[in-house]
Amino acid sequence: NAGVTQTPKFQVLKTGQSMTLQCAQDMNHNSMYWYRQDPGMGLRLIYYSASEGTTDKGEVPNGYNVSRLNKREFSLRLESAAPSQTSVYFCASTNGWYGYTFGSGTRLTVV
Amino acid sequence: AQSVTQLDSQVPVFEEAPVELRCNYSSSVSVYLFWYVQYPNQGLQLLLKYLSGSTLVKGINGFEAEFNKSQTSFHLRKPSVHISDTAEYFCAVSEGNKLVFGAGTILRVKS
Repeated sequence: NAGVTQTPKFQVLKTGQSMTLQCAQDMNHNSMYWYRQDPGMGLRLIYYSASEGTTDKGEVPNGYNVSRLNKREFSLRLESAAPSQTSVYFCASTNGWYGYTFGSGTRLTVV
Repeated sequence: AQSVTQLDSQVPVFEEAPVELRCNYSSSVSVYLFWYVQYPNQGLQLLLKYLSGSTLVKGINGFEAEFNKSQTSFHLRKPSVHISDTAEYFCAVSEGNKLVFGAGTILRVKS
């Protein structure tokens, strides 16, 4: 099925470890986004890429880096994981104001 | 910067009763407005959107929302809820080429 694919679905990290969350879309969308979801706080934007070759910080970028590898793929990297980064991470993509398409999420626990 | 306030964190309601989930946003400039639904352990799914035109917007699963520019509100309604509507609902507003989300409202439908 067409859509947004995120890997992995679950991950447990130790404090200080690094990892990369992968996101790929097959809808030929220009814009891609990374959000984190925490209870009672809704979704907060970490980074986004309005088009291939560009990336910009969102509301909560500290501790994260991103790479827009090509039009399809947008990865999120945690260089040195902290317990405060325990969250559910969602990738989304869009081609305009017709609504984002979201992936199914990555549940990350940092211990 | 835009902000979104969802006035109720949880709304309990009996099956077949009507429900309204309230959403207010901060800016009166032209915006696009959205409601998303998240079922347990899933990603977000678009319920409906307001881009322009009629202030009453109809979405999937019998939901509708009314855009009120003077009150900067975009409340979500359903005349008769079903057990399967139990989920978390997020209101979102456009800001540039990004979406800003509210904290979410958990709708609990009881039999």
